[in-house]
Amino acid sequence: HLVQSGTEVKKPGDSVIVSCEASHYSFTTYGITWVRQAPGQGLEWVGWINTKHGNTDYAHKLQGRVTLTRDTPTNTAYMELRSLRSDDTAIYYCARLTITTHRLDPWGLGTLVAVSS
Amino acid sequence: QSVLTQPPSVSAAPGQKVTISCSGTNSNIGSHYVTWYQQVPGTAPKVVIYENDQRPSEIPDRFSGSKSGTSATLGIAGLQTGDEAHFYCGTWDSSLNSVVFGGGTKLTVL
Repeated sequence: HLVQSGTEVKKPGDSVIVSCEASHYSFTTYGITWVRQAPGQGLEWVGWINTKHGNTDYAHKLQGRVTLTRDTPTNTAYMELRSLRSDDTAIYYCARLTITTHRLDPWGLGTLVAVSS
Repeated sequence: QSVLTQPPSVSAAPGQKVTISCSGTNSNIGSHYVTWYQQVPGTAPKVVIYENDQRPSEIPDRFSGSKSGTSATLGIAGLQTGDEAHFYCGTWDSSLNSVVFGGGTKLTVL
């Protein structure tokens, strides 16, 4: 199970942190991936974190604005997105990543981040 | 513009079979496993096929997957109205060092 934090409403230029708490599996055995979906659009990969070692990869278009972290004692992953713009408005999903096959399963229910002035 | 190419929509009558294609390159589909996701509007995606052709236990055997070279295909037989959803293919891309998705295919059961 992956439980995400609630809806966020932000202004352009703000930052947002979304959390993703994992349960019912060994947290450091799998990665955590973040995917976003703008209204009416498809899936866009944000990045992933190796929960055991902490190393990360980010989508090129978000490099410099996004940071993924994790807290292993609480089995929680975090996504911080800075300098928010209106086109960052989307549902942000976390998903468990099987590193060897790149399967994303299961997914959290998603967190709506709305950016508006 | 998505890295993987899918048809925007497919449709078929109840009971019929439909296939959804996903085209990529050697750096993604040609080198890595493909996963297929089903997304009903308003809900999170869920896996219907993983490792190219494997079904999770809760997914009926009406769903099938295959991969050949740089393309993958999702098949859904015995269509039901409850199958209506968007379907996405996904995999890893070694050149981009990222997970990549297709643009999604809307399935309509007429």
